[in-house]
Amino acid sequence: EPEVTQTPSHQVTQMGQEVILHCVPISNHLYFYWYRQILGQKVEFLVSFYNNEISEKSEIFDDQFSVERPDGSNFTLKIRSTKLEDSAMYFCASSVQAGGNTIYFGEGSWLTVV
Amino acid sequence: KQEVTQIPAALSVPEGENLVLNCSFTDSAIYNLQWFRQDPGKGLTSLLLIQSSQREQTSGRLNASLDKSSGRSTLYIAASQPGDSATYLCALPGGSSQGNLIFGKGTKLSVKP
Repeated sequence: EPEVTQTPSHQVTQMGQEVILHCVPISNHLYFYWYRQILGQKVEFLVSFYNNEISEKSEIFDDQFSVERPDGSNFTLKIRSTKLEDSAMYFCASSVQAGGNTIYFGEGSWLTVV
Repeated sequence: KQEVTQIPAALSVPEGENLVLNCSFTDSAIYNLQWFRQDPGKGLTSLLLIQSSQREQTSGRLNASLDKSSGRSTLYIAASQPGDSATYLCALPGGSSQGNLIFGKGTKLSVKP
């Protein structure tokens, strides 16, 4: 069964450093998302991406965050200058369409900022 | 703003029991509702998607119901097994893109052999 693939599974970074998280969505999907989950808290929406542009973003997704689809298969989340509070599990997800379709999640990238 | 609540926060049952997990939401104008399973430290596995026009959806031992007017959904698990132990999350679209899912905090299920 097709799946969303994320790398790395775990990354430790120094505060202030830039981090790029990588995702390969399911191949025929057109809509891509990033979510995060701080330990012990709810899963939170960050951003949705369609047709090479952001379609919606949350208040969390401020100027230190950016997303990119550099080629036909990858979808990346960049955090420009990491803070301690960015420590979380980051999930990539994808769906065929925006509405009425199942959203499929990857296994997550666990980011620890020290 | 849509808010999603799941009760109970944790549930422990003996193997073989049938059980019901609850999800309530504040805004009944929803497009769909999705139930997920999350194992510790892992990603989210989609279990069932129920459209706003549907009353229920079934997959194997799982049955999800939706009552929009009362702002509630239930996930029924029949004949529970130890392998069902996980956190179960419900989520609904909350934004314009419909991919902006608003999640509940989940119900942590433990099925004892």
